[in-house]
Order: sequence, then structure tokens, then C-alpha cells
Amino acid sequence: DIQLTQSPSSLSASVGDRITITCRASQDIRNSLAWYQQKPGKAPNLLLYAASRLESGVPSRFSGSGSGTDYTLTISSLQPEDFATYYCQQYFNPPPYTFGQGTRLEIK
Amino acid sequence: QAQLVQSGAEVKKPGASVKVSCKASGYMFTTYAITWVRQAPGHGLEWMARISGYNGNANYAQKFQDRVTLTIDTSTTTAYMELRSLRSDDTAVYYCARAQGSGWFDPWGQGTLVTVSS
Repeated sequence: DIQLTQSPSSLSASVGDRITITCRASQDIRNSLAWYQQKPGKAPNLLLYAASRLESGVPSRFSGSGSGTDYTLTISSLQPEDFATYYCQQYFNPPPYTFGQGTRLEIK
Repeated sequence: QAQLVQSGAEVKKPGASVKVSCKASGYMFTTYAITWVRQAPGHGLEWMARISGYNGNANYAQKFQDRVTLTIDTSTTTAYMELRSLRSDDTAVYYCARAQGSGWFDPWGQGTLVTVSS
């Protein structure tokens, strides 16, 4: 099975900061990667798919990039509502699908 | 607008079974698969299984192969997830989600908390 490793596992930042979260796959997943945001007590919310395609309605401060085994999620200017946990998910040749372990983004 | 609404919280004893429902609306049910993901308290997301809304064919994560059964009812556009032989470590929030395109998930249901306790 394909494993996903996110880093960092937690991150403290301030409103207005630019942050990057990394997701590394155990093999080439050919851009078959999605990113989700989850707030406490809520279901995950899709942000990006196909590594870099922004889901409709998601603010443009969110962006994704990468190829092969290495992918990143960038938030260009943190807003108060962005403090949450972020997960990557691969869908290359499923099943199974797998998720990264999550990155908790906290206010500094 | 696509929406998934799940059944309410459940409390079960070890060894029992639970069946969670996921009612779909706002899209053509038979065009998409439904996937199930769980999240134990304080932990990350774990993919369990998925089922085609077209023909009911299901795929299961190896970990759940012997204890989970997915079904669909196209007449009511509802998917079901049954988990048997419950253990305390099955305590989690169970989510259904629509599988889009090659396999990203959107939208998600609101989640169903299943608590396993004696």
C-alpha cells in the first residue's frame, strides 16, 4: 500500500503568515493527491485535488504543487479561519486510498 | 447541491454490530461511488471501504475485510455501512463521502459517532 508522510505534524503561525505543508508518498502517485481541511467536530472539507486544482469556492490563498512523490500545500496569507488540521490523501490506483497523518495548524 | 446526511449516534456493547446509513441527495446517486472513512478520537482519517452507486460493487481495506459490509438502496439513494464484532477500539466517528473523479472525496456526511462500551 502507498504510505503518505506529512510534515510537520504541527505548526504554529500568525495571521498573515505564509505556510507550507509537505506530503511525501512512498511511490510516484502521478499527481493523484487531494488536500482537506478539518475543523474540530466537523467533517473534512476538500480544498484541492489532482495536486493543484482548487475546489470551487475555496479561497485562492490556498494552492498546491508537486509531482512524483513530493507535494505541498501552501496558504499564502493565513486568515483566522484557516487554523485547523490539514490532511493529504492519495488516490493513485486504489484501493486502498490512504491519508497522511495530518498537520495541526495553530495560532502562535 | 450534493448532500450526504448520516444517521445518529450509536452506543453498542463489545461484540455487537452497528449499521450506519448515509442518505444522498442533490445528485444522480448511481453516477458516483460512496466511500466510508473513520476517525478515532484524537486520531487521523482512516479509509475503510467504498461502494459503487451504480452496481453495488464494493472494495474493502484489508483491515476491515472480514467485519464490514457495504450496501446501497438506489430506490432511497441511501448507502449503508455495517460493522460487526465491535471492539472498544472501533469507537470513532464514521463518515461517508461521495467519491469524485478518480477518487477524491466531496462532499462528506456530517459523521456518526459510534461508541463501543460495556
